[in-house]
Amino acid sequence: AQTVTQSQPEMSVQEAETVTLSCTYDTSESDYYLFWYKQPPSRQMILVIRQEAYKQQNATENRFSVNFQKAAKSFSLKISDSQLGDAAMYFCSYMEYGNKLVFGAGTILRVKS
Amino acid sequence: EAGVTQSPTHLIKTRGQQATLRCSPISGHTSVYWYQQALGLGLQFLLWYDEGEERNRGNFPPRFSGRQFPNYSSELNVNALELEDSALYLCASSLEVQEFSGNTIYFGEGSWLTVV
Repeated sequence: AQTVTQSQPEMSVQEAETVTLSCTYDTSESDYYLFWYKQPPSRQMILVIRQEAYKQQNATENRFSVNFQKAAKSFSLKISDSQLGDAAMYFCSYMEYGNKLVFGAGTILRVKS
Repeated sequence: EAGVTQSPTHLIKTRGQQATLRCSPISGHTSVYWYQQALGLGLQFLLWYDEGEERNRGNFPPRFSGRQFPNYSSELNVNALELEDSALYLCASSLEVQEFSGNTIYFGEGSWLTVV
């Protein structure tokens, strides 16, 4: 079974600074999809960014970008110009056949003003 | 446009009882998913329904079941409740799935189930 590992249980960043959240995954597939979701205190999972494995170009969404290293099976999330509203739990996930999302354990991001 | 909606927000049940959670997908979405987020266990995939049929199932016992109605809304039923079933149950939806399309899955705010 595929696994997703987030090695940073908790991270802190100063407002307006940049932070990178790490994620590695294990798969033998060549075609798959990766996602980052954020879960604020409201508990709703909100999509941050999506990456298609067959695309070499790293996905970006405004202040959020990823560093996708397929060979290393690494999928890190970079948040630029951090804002107080970015404080949340961030989950890295891998979509396997059967439309099943496999999630990492999550990283709590704290933003300091 | 309304997102994924779930009810009830909170539910308290006694061990051995049955719980029913409901979900309405985003308009136009035909696939509905259920996930369990329990303390210490993280997010785990429960079920996927598409066009009224169960398409995939996670590693949960048969007392976790559900269905999808013709209007694409869905119910999750948990029978013979156990204390460890206490968790946040998240429903999600996506556009029609063609094999393995990687369609983005959108989540609701969840239903808290507490078993006492």
